[in-house]
Amino acid sequence: GAVVSQHPSRVICKSGTSVKIECRSLDFQATTMFWYRQFPKQSLMLMATSNEGSKATYEQGVEKDKFLINHASLTLSTLTVTSAHPEDSSFYICSAPDWDRGGSPLHFGNGTRLTVT
Amino acid sequence: SQQGEEDPQALSIQEGENATMNCSYKTSINNLQWYRQNSGRGLVHLILIRSNEREKHSGRLRVTLDTSKKSSSLLITASRAADTASYFCATDAGGGSEKLVFGKGTKLTVNP
Repeated sequence: GAVVSQHPSRVICKSGTSVKIECRSLDFQATTMFWYRQFPKQSLMLMATSNEGSKATYEQGVEKDKFLINHASLTLSTLTVTSAHPEDSSFYICSAPDWDRGGSPLHFGNGTRLTVT
Repeated sequence: SQQGEEDPQALSIQEGENATMNCSYKTSINNLQWYRQNSGRGLVHLILIRSNEREKHSGRLRVTLDTSKKSSSLLITASRAADTASYFCATDAGGGSEKLVFGKGTKLTVNP
């Protein structure tokens, strides 16, 4: 079945640095990818929709300059947390629909645990 | 937003018992999905029920949908310790975008 690979699974960085998270679709073309953020013991909150070849669509309240999204190919989307601060520490998860298989259900990456010290 | 609400927030049962989790949502939907998340991991899709369906089964899972009450339930029968996880319902935002809105989740603990 379709697989989405997310990397890294865990990252610790110092305050002020930037961190890049990659999300790859392994056996299907992902023209769309969704980026979610999850705080401990809470639900997933949609941050943005990444569209191949065009600008990402951000949800209300999500800073575009803080969370840079690039979807340069049909199999790769990246989320860069710029100038990270401790409050950016969270679990970030990407997902993608396989439109060739109807789109639902979404295929999720295994998430990235970001800790900013 | 039409974020779903699950209840209970946490559920602890003994192996072999059934577990029922409920989800309510606010607006019209095309479908409702249930996902499972093991601690610190991504989500695994369990089952999708369309708005014109009332009940669906998959193995030990049974999902019901009541669009008049804007609610759904997930029943796990004959639970196992390996079922311990958080369970989320998710509704689509419509428009064919596949953008999902997730509920707050139920943390299920199955004690051996």
